[in-house]
Amino acid sequence: QKEVEQNSGPLSVPEGAIASLNCTYSDRGSQSFFWYRQYSGKSPELIMFIYSNGDKEDGRFTAQLNKASQYVSLLIRDSQPSDSATYLCAVNKSGQAGTALIFGKGTTLSVSS
Amino acid sequence: KAGVTQTPRYLIKTRGQQVTLSCSPISGHRSVSWYQQTPGQGLQFLFEYFSETQRNKGNFPGRFSGRQFSNSRSEMNVSTLELGDSALYLCASSFLAGGPETQYFGPGTRLLVL
Repeated sequence: QKEVEQNSGPLSVPEGAIASLNCTYSDRGSQSFFWYRQYSGKSPELIMFIYSNGDKEDGRFTAQLNKASQYVSLLIRDSQPSDSATYLCAVNKSGQAGTALIFGKGTTLSVSS
Repeated sequence: KAGVTQTPRYLIKTRGQQVTLSCSPISGHRSVSWYQQTPGQGLQFLFEYFSETQRNKGNFPGRFSGRQFSNSRSEMNVSTLELGDSALYLCASSFLAGGPETQYFGPGTRLLVL
């Protein structure tokens, strides 16, 4: 089993719709979870991080975490064409101080106008 | 405030050679992490340095090494290059002792091994 798994997509949604991106992880001890966005030819940029079970909202973005199910998701409300990018889920390895991020391979999102 | 800078941006080497890549973190950031990104394997963690010490390490062979200087600038070295080392190498810096919550990526160095 891969450490962090995501559907590669592409996920296609119309402008204004909700895009739902999902991620599962294998390390039960993981405590911190991250969503990055990467535009083609650019570096990843951090969108959100979440530590606790439940939802965390930031503008149009909502991260959801369920540690029992080892599942993290990202909802993008009112999707815009500018949201078209690859979304990377990352988990910080358990038992590690600092940074030791394990990334999924990403889900490509396409928002059509 | 200037972002993370990486040099060189592009590099072509041949098998068996070695290469050194450089990363200058955002001013005030003391943690520097390195990642390799390829189409097949995605983004993979190489190692993290904090206060000149390697704090975390990914699952890469010993040919991949790094170091951090007192001004937080970091270098990574790959010896005995293989074709499979062709990739985008990304550096990211984090504020103080912070983890990935404050991590910003540089533009990357694209390495092609022939």
